[in-house]
Amino acid sequence: ETGVTQSPTHLIKTRGQQVTLRCSSQSGHNTVSWYQQALGQGPQFIFQYYREEENGRGNFPPRFSGLQFPNYSSELNVNALELDDSALYLCASSSGQVLGYTFGSGTRLTVV
Amino acid sequence: DQQVKQNSPSLSVQEGRISILNCDYTNSMFDYFLWYKKYPAEGPTFLISISSIKDKNEDGRFTVFLNKSAKHLSLHIVPSQPGDSAVYFCAAKTSSDYKLSFGAGTTVTVRA
Repeated sequence: ETGVTQSPTHLIKTRGQQVTLRCSSQSGHNTVSWYQQALGQGPQFIFQYYREEENGRGNFPPRFSGLQFPNYSSELNVNALELDDSALYLCASSSGQVLGYTFGSGTRLTVV
Repeated sequence: DQQVKQNSPSLSVQEGRISILNCDYTNSMFDYFLWYKKYPAEGPTFLISISSIKDKNEDGRFTVFLNKSAKHLSLHIVPSQPGDSAVYFCAAKTSSDYKLSFGAGTTVTVRA
C-alpha cells in the first residue's frame, strides 16, 4: 500500500509567478485536502476535494485553486505568488473514515 | 481565528520520564481530537485520538486526556524515549467536516 506522495519536494518561485503542486493519494482514498504550514505555525486548511468537486474551503483567497482527477490525485495551483505564500504545503488523503487521514511529506515553496 | 492553541512551543524531558503536552480549544462543536507527530522533512503522522464522549484514551506509552468543561486536552508520553523527539501537533474536527484545525505545535526534545 503506497502512501501519499507529493512533488516537487522543494520549489523556488518569484513573486507574481504561478505554481502548481501535485499530490498522489493513498490507494483507496477518494478525498484529498491541502494545508499550508507557515514557519512556526500549525497547518492551515486550504480546501478539500471529494470525487473531483471542491467541498470545503478555508480562509484562502481565490488565487488558491485546485483540481482532483479521476484517479483521485490532486493539484494545488497558486497564482500571483506573494512573499507570504512561502510555506510547507501538505496534502492529506482520506477514504472517508472519520479519522483516516494520511499526510504526504509536503512541498517546501519559497517565494523570493 | 485560532481555535486550537498549544501554548508551549517547546518541551525538554529526560529519557525515561513523563512528557506532558497541553492543548486548549475554543470551539465547543469539536467532536474529535487528534495528536500528530512530525519529524523534519516528513509529513505529520497520526499518533492517537479521542472522541468528545470519552475523557481518556490510551495506546501503549501514549495517553490522551480530555476535559470538555475546560476545553483542554493533554498528551502523556510515558516513558519518554529519544525517538519521541519531534514536533507534536494537536488537531480537532467536527463530525460533519473533514477539516482539521491544528495548533502551532510543541517541539519535544528527549535528553539521554
